[in-house]
Amino acid sequence: EAGVAQSPRYKIIEKRQSVAFWCNPISGHATLYWYQQILGQGPKLLIQFQNNGVVDDSQLPKDRFSAERLKGVDSTLKIQPAKLEDSAVYLCASSLVSGWDSEAFFGQGTRLTVV
Amino acid sequence: RKEVEQDPGPFNVPEGATVAFNCTYSNSASQSFFWYRQDCRKEPKLLMSVYSSGNEDGRFTAQLNRASQYISLLIRDSKLSDSATYLCVVFSGNTPLVFGKGTRLSVIA
Repeated sequence: EAGVAQSPRYKIIEKRQSVAFWCNPISGHATLYWYQQILGQGPKLLIQFQNNGVVDDSQLPKDRFSAERLKGVDSTLKIQPAKLEDSAVYLCASSLVSGWDSEAFFGQGTRLTVV
Repeated sequence: RKEVEQDPGPFNVPEGATVAFNCTYSNSASQSFFWYRQDCRKEPKLLMSVYSSGNEDGRFTAQLNRASQYISLLIRDSKLSDSATYLCVVFSGNTPLVFGKGTRLSVIA
């Protein structure tokens, strides 16, 4: 079974530039998450989708971050404009459902460096 | 108080040692608990779920204490390959999975 696919793996941009990340979840997984992991910290949820609807985006900095999941499959996360503190690994995860016993499978992440 | 708190470590232990990690959570309505493992520069992967009755998987034992709101992970007979960061994860029903900052383990030959 194919896992969660993310691209690109690495990205270096200058502050104030824009960047977009792409995620293709495991086939059939209704729930998709975007997490931000800063070095030395645990993953922090940015947004959760259930199919193509947003379940939780309370920690998404909406002035600069946006995400969409058209057709309930692939998702993109965009940052515009980027700040130095956005340097982190952006992890996409998916699960079959959003529930108490549903394992989340993670992609390898996109490592973003803002200079 | 943070939602999920862990001792960041690092825990440096010799091969064959027994090591235990604790994690506390603030939401008393939390329903499900997990331990994830994250190797250096890799993505997190589920290690084991934590059940109310406690559960064991080989050298790994997970315990849940709802009254005190903490979860533990015990690793017996540590191997070099156990070196990683162990993330405590809590699910509270109306919120997505919440991760702790992780506890770093280094097993030394």
